[in-house]
Amino acid sequence: DTEVTQTPKHLVMGMTNKKSLKCEQHMGHRAMYWYKQKAKKPPELMFVYSYEKLSINESVPSRFSPECPNSSLLNLHLHALQPEDSALYLCASSQEFPDRLYNEQFFGPGTRLTVL
Amino acid sequence: KQEVTQIPAALSVPEGENLVLNCSFTDSAIYNLQWFRQDPGKGLTSLLLIQSSQREQTSGRLNASLDKSSGRSTLYIAASQPGDSATYLCALIHSNYQLIWGAGTKLIIKP
Repeated sequence: DTEVTQTPKHLVMGMTNKKSLKCEQHMGHRAMYWYKQKAKKPPELMFVYSYEKLSINESVPSRFSPECPNSSLLNLHLHALQPEDSALYLCASSQEFPDRLYNEQFFGPGTRLTVL
Repeated sequence: KQEVTQIPAALSVPEGENLVLNCSFTDSAIYNLQWFRQDPGKGLTSLLLIQSSQREQTSGRLNASLDKSSGRSTLYIAASQPGDSATYLCALIHSNYQLIWGAGTKLIIKP
Protein backbone atom coordinates (compact mmCIF):
# COMPACT_ATOMS: atom_id res chain seq x y z
CA ASP A 1 0.00 0.00 0.00
CA THR A 2 1.66 3.20 -1.19
CA GLU A 3 -1.25 5.45 -0.37
CA VAL A 4 -1.35 8.67 1.58
CA THR A 5 -4.87 9.83 2.40
CA GLN A 6 -6.00 13.35 3.23
CA THR A 7 -9.27 14.71 4.57
CA PRO A 8 -11.20 16.74 3.77
CA LYS A 9 -10.83 17.06 -0.01
CA HIS A 10 -12.21 20.59 0.04
CA LEU A 11 -12.52 23.12 2.85
CA VAL A 12 -14.01 26.58 2.89
CA MET A 13 -13.48 28.63 6.02
CA GLY A 14 -13.82 32.15 7.27
CA MET A 15 -10.96 34.11 8.72
CA THR A 16 -12.22 33.57 12.28
CA ASN A 17 -12.77 29.82 11.99
CA LYS A 18 -10.68 27.01 13.43
CA LYS A 19 -10.32 23.91 11.30
CA SER A 20 -7.96 20.96 10.90
CA LEU A 21 -6.54 19.04 7.98
CA LYS A 22 -5.75 15.37 8.43
CA CYS A 23 -3.26 13.07 6.76
CA GLU A 24 -2.70 9.35 7.21
CA GLN A 25 -0.27 6.79 5.85
CA HIS A 26 0.15 3.08 6.57
CA MET A 27 3.45 2.45 4.84
CA GLY A 28 5.45 2.43 8.06
CA HIS A 29 7.14 5.67 7.05
CA ARG A 30 8.79 7.65 9.83
CA ALA A 31 8.85 11.02 8.07
CA MET A 32 5.81 13.12 7.18
CA TYR A 33 5.57 16.48 5.46
CA TRP A 34 3.16 19.36 4.89
CA TYR A 35 3.42 21.36 1.68
CA LYS A 36 1.48 24.34 0.37
CA GLN A 37 0.93 24.68 -3.36
CA LYS A 38 -0.41 27.74 -5.15
CA ALA A 39 -1.77 27.50 -8.68
CA LYS A 40 0.82 26.78 -11.38
CA LYS A 41 3.65 26.70 -8.82
CA PRO A 42 5.61 23.79 -7.37
CA PRO A 43 4.91 22.76 -3.75
CA GLU A 44 6.50 24.77 -0.94
CA LEU A 45 7.67 22.89 2.12
CA MET A 46 6.02 23.94 5.38
CA PHE A 47 6.87 21.32 8.00
CA VAL A 48 8.74 18.04 8.35
CA TYR A 49 8.16 15.50 11.11
CA SER A 50 10.65 12.76 11.75
CA TYR A 51 9.82 10.02 14.27
CA GLU A 52 6.86 12.12 15.44
CA LYS A 53 9.05 15.11 16.28
CA LEU A 54 9.05 18.40 14.41
CA SER A 55 12.26 18.47 12.43
CA ILE A 56 11.76 21.43 10.12
CA ASN A 57 9.52 24.51 10.28
CA GLU A 58 10.07 26.65 7.20
CA SER A 59 9.22 29.90 9.04
CA VAL A 60 5.52 29.19 8.72
CA PRO A 61 3.16 31.70 10.43
CA SER A 62 1.79 30.53 13.78
CA ARG A 63 -1.76 30.46 12.41
CA PHE A 64 -0.67 27.08 11.00
CA SER A 65 -0.04 24.56 13.78
CA PRO A 66 1.14 21.04 12.92
CA GLU A 67 0.65 18.00 15.11
CA CYS A 68 1.84 14.40 14.79
CA PRO A 69 -0.22 12.24 17.20
CA ASN A 70 1.49 9.03 16.08
CA SER A 71 3.71 7.71 13.31
CA SER A 72 0.76 7.25 10.92
CA LEU A 73 -1.09 10.51 11.44
CA LEU A 74 -0.32 14.14 10.72
CA ASN A 75 -2.64 17.06 11.39
CA LEU A 76 -2.50 20.70 10.42
CA HIS A 77 -4.55 22.98 12.65
CA LEU A 78 -5.71 26.22 11.09
CA HIS A 79 -6.76 29.37 12.92
CA ALA A 80 -7.30 32.98 11.86
CA LEU A 81 -6.19 32.36 8.29
CA GLN A 82 -5.98 35.01 5.61
CA PRO A 83 -7.42 34.85 2.07
CA GLU A 84 -3.87 34.54 0.71
CA ASP A 85 -3.60 31.22 2.56
CA SER A 86 -6.02 29.72 0.04
CA ALA A 87 -4.12 26.94 -1.71
CA LEU A 88 -3.79 23.19 -2.16
CA TYR A 89 -2.29 21.64 0.99
CA LEU A 90 -0.40 18.47 0.34
CA CYS A 91 0.78 15.85 2.77
CA ALA A 92 3.64 13.49 1.95
CA SER A 93 5.57 10.73 3.65
CA SER A 94 8.90 9.00 3.20
CA GLN A 95 10.73 6.19 4.91
CA GLU A 96 13.22 8.39 6.68
CA PHE A 97 14.32 12.01 7.07
CA PRO A 98 16.98 13.10 6.67
CA ASP A 99 18.37 10.30 4.58
CA ARG A 100 20.21 10.05 1.31
CA LEU A 101 18.66 6.81 0.15
CA TYR A 102 15.23 6.15 1.68
CA ASN A 103 13.67 9.49 0.93
CA GLU A 104 11.28 8.86 -1.97
CA GLN A 105 8.27 10.96 -1.08
CA PHE A 106 4.71 9.80 -1.62
CA PHE A 107 2.03 12.45 -1.77
CA GLY A 108 -1.63 12.50 -0.84
CA PRO A 109 -4.37 13.98 -3.06
CA GLY A 110 -4.37 17.25 -1.16
CA THR A 111 -6.94 19.46 0.53
CA ARG A 112 -8.18 22.42 -1.50
CA LEU A 113 -8.52 25.24 1.06
CA THR A 114 -10.43 28.44 0.39
CA VAL A 115 -10.33 31.22 2.98
CA LEU A 116 -13.09 33.79 2.66
CA LYS B 1 22.76 27.44 -4.63
CA GLN B 2 21.02 24.50 -6.31
CA GLU B 3 18.53 25.51 -9.01
CA VAL B 4 16.28 23.21 -11.01
CA THR B 5 14.96 24.21 -14.42
CA GLN B 6 12.40 22.52 -16.64
CA ILE B 7 12.16 23.52 -20.27
CA PRO B 8 9.78 23.85 -22.03
CA ALA B 9 7.11 25.15 -19.67
CA ALA B 10 4.45 23.66 -21.94
CA LEU B 11 4.42 21.06 -24.68
CA SER B 12 1.67 19.88 -27.02
CA VAL B 13 2.13 16.80 -29.20
CA PRO B 14 -0.13 14.45 -31.19
CA GLU B 15 -1.10 11.13 -29.69
CA GLY B 16 1.29 8.29 -30.38
CA GLU B 17 4.47 10.35 -30.46
CA ASN B 18 7.48 9.59 -28.30
CA LEU B 19 8.59 12.62 -26.32
CA VAL B 20 11.27 13.81 -23.92
CA LEU B 21 10.87 16.16 -20.97
CA ASN B 22 13.95 17.89 -19.66
CA CYS B 23 15.14 18.77 -16.17
CA SER B 24 18.46 20.52 -15.52
CA PHE B 25 20.20 21.38 -12.26
CA THR B 26 23.16 23.56 -11.40
CA ASP B 27 24.97 21.47 -8.75
CA SER B 28 25.83 17.86 -9.50
CA ALA B 29 26.08 16.93 -5.80
CA ILE B 30 22.60 15.42 -5.57
CA TYR B 31 21.39 12.36 -3.66
CA ASN B 32 18.49 11.46 -5.93
CA LEU B 33 16.04 12.87 -8.43
CA GLN B 34 12.33 12.18 -8.53
CA TRP B 35 9.83 12.69 -11.36
CA PHE B 36 6.21 13.43 -10.48
CA ARG B 37 3.00 13.80 -12.39
CA GLN B 38 0.23 16.18 -11.30
CA ASP B 39 -3.25 16.34 -12.79
CA PRO B 40 -5.09 19.68 -12.47
CA GLY B 41 -6.12 20.35 -8.87
CA LYS B 42 -4.84 16.97 -7.72
CA GLY B 43 -1.97 15.63 -5.67
CA LEU B 44 1.38 14.46 -6.99
CA THR B 45 2.03 10.94 -8.21
CA SER B 46 5.60 9.70 -7.96
CA LEU B 47 6.61 8.26 -11.32
CA LEU B 48 10.28 7.36 -10.98
CA LEU B 49 13.09 7.87 -8.51
CA ILE B 50 16.71 7.75 -9.64
CA GLN B 51 19.41 7.42 -7.01
CA SER B 52 22.61 9.39 -7.60
CA SER B 53 24.50 6.17 -8.33
CA GLN B 54 22.04 5.15 -11.05
CA ARG B 55 21.83 6.29 -14.65
CA GLU B 56 18.25 5.36 -15.47
CA GLN B 57 14.99 3.89 -14.25
CA THR B 58 12.11 2.44 -16.25
CA SER B 59 8.44 1.94 -15.50
CA GLY B 60 6.17 0.84 -18.33
CA ARG B 61 6.27 3.46 -21.08
CA LEU B 62 8.38 5.80 -18.95
CA ASN B 63 12.15 5.96 -18.81
CA ALA B 64 14.06 8.47 -16.73
CA SER B 65 17.77 9.08 -17.12
CA LEU B 66 20.25 10.95 -14.98
CA ASP B 67 23.55 12.50 -16.03
CA LYS B 68 25.05 14.25 -13.03
CA SER B 69 28.12 15.46 -14.88
CA SER B 70 26.00 17.48 -17.28
CA GLY B 71 23.40 18.40 -14.65
CA ARG B 72 20.56 16.87 -16.59
CA SER B 73 17.71 14.38 -16.27
CA THR B 74 15.25 13.42 -18.97
CA LEU B 75 11.87 11.72 -18.81
CA TYR B 76 11.10 9.76 -21.95
CA ILE B 77 7.47 8.89 -22.64
CA ALA B 78 6.88 6.30 -25.36
CA ALA B 79 3.75 6.09 -27.49
CA SER B 80 2.05 9.03 -25.77
CA GLN B 81 -1.67 8.83 -24.96
CA PRO B 82 -4.24 11.54 -24.11
CA GLY B 83 -4.24 10.19 -20.55
CA ASP B 84 -0.61 11.27 -20.24
CA SER B 85 -1.74 14.90 -20.31
CA ALA B 86 -0.67 16.45 -17.00
CA THR B 87 2.02 18.62 -15.48
CA TYR B 88 5.31 16.81 -14.95
CA LEU B 89 7.62 18.02 -12.19
CA CYS B 90 11.13 16.97 -11.36
CA ALA B 91 12.56 17.43 -7.90
CA LEU B 92 15.88 16.50 -6.39
CA ILE B 93 17.32 15.89 -2.97
CA HIS B 94 20.36 18.07 -2.32
CA SER B 95 22.52 18.79 0.68
CA ASN B 96 19.70 19.89 2.99
CA TYR B 97 17.76 16.68 2.29
CA GLN B 98 14.72 18.63 1.10
CA LEU B 99 13.14 18.39 -2.33
CA ILE B 100 14.17 21.21 -4.67
CA TRP B 101 11.58 21.58 -7.39
CA GLY B 102 11.49 22.54 -11.02
CA ALA B 103 8.58 24.68 -12.18
CA GLY B 104 7.12 21.82 -14.22
CA THR B 105 6.27 21.09 -17.84
CA LYS B 106 2.58 21.11 -18.78
CA LEU B 107 2.07 18.32 -21.31
CA ILE B 108 -0.95 18.11 -23.63
CA ILE B 109 -1.42 15.05 -25.81
CA LYS B 110 -3.82 15.76 -28.66
CA PRO B 111 -6.08 12.86 -29.74
